[in-house]
Amino acid sequence: GQQVMQIPQYQHVQEGEDFTTYCNSSTTLSNIQWYKQRPGGHPVFLIQLVKSGEVKKQKRLTFQFGEAKKNSSLHITATQTTDVGTYFCAGNSGGSNYKLTFGKGTLLTVNP
Amino acid sequence: DAGVTQSPTHLIKTRGQQVTLRCSPKSGHDTVSWYQQALGQGPQFIFQYYEEEERQRGNFPDRFSGHQFPNYSSELNVNALLLGDSALYLCASSLGPPGAYTQYFGPGTRLTVL
Repeated sequence: GQQVMQIPQYQHVQEGEDFTTYCNSSTTLSNIQWYKQRPGGHPVFLIQLVKSGEVKKQKRLTFQFGEAKKNSSLHITATQTTDVGTYFCAGNSGGSNYKLTFGKGTLLTVNP
Repeated sequence: DAGVTQSPTHLIKTRGQQVTLRCSPKSGHDTVSWYQQALGQGPQFIFQYYEEEERQRGNFPDRFSGHQFPNYSSELNVNALLLGDSALYLCASSLGPPGAYTQYFGPGTRLTVL
């Protein structure tokens, strides 16, 4: 079945440093979504990417979808302590497949 | 406008028992998906309900079953609980398939099996 892998598993940065997490799918995706889960919280939707090569920005966050629609990345510029949490990518292969397959996530900690 | 709600918040059961978890979707949403999230892992898809029917199922045994009511709320039932069923159970609602529509998660039910 479809697998979604994320690296790194953990990332610790100093406040102000940049952060990137990468997501790779074993199959071509129809779309990919990114979620953030704060410690003790639940996943919160950040963004959805649909088009090959798509790049979307949300303030300090930049999301990319690969040309082959099998990989994606999330880059945070100048991290802040409020960015702490686990970032998950979740892929959907489309067609009659309605589910999202989540990666294991990247836990980001930020040292003030 | 209430978001996704789940009950109970926490639950402790013993092996072999049965449990029912409940979810009310965000207003206007008609699709409910259930996920199991073990500690340190990503959410794992259990199944999805739409129009009161199970539309898709993940790799979970038949001990996991569900139901969706006419008002779109949903229940997750787990029979013959195992220690490995201890996890955070998340309900997520969307207006249509979550692969195409934004999915909103509830706060989850923390299930501990002793």
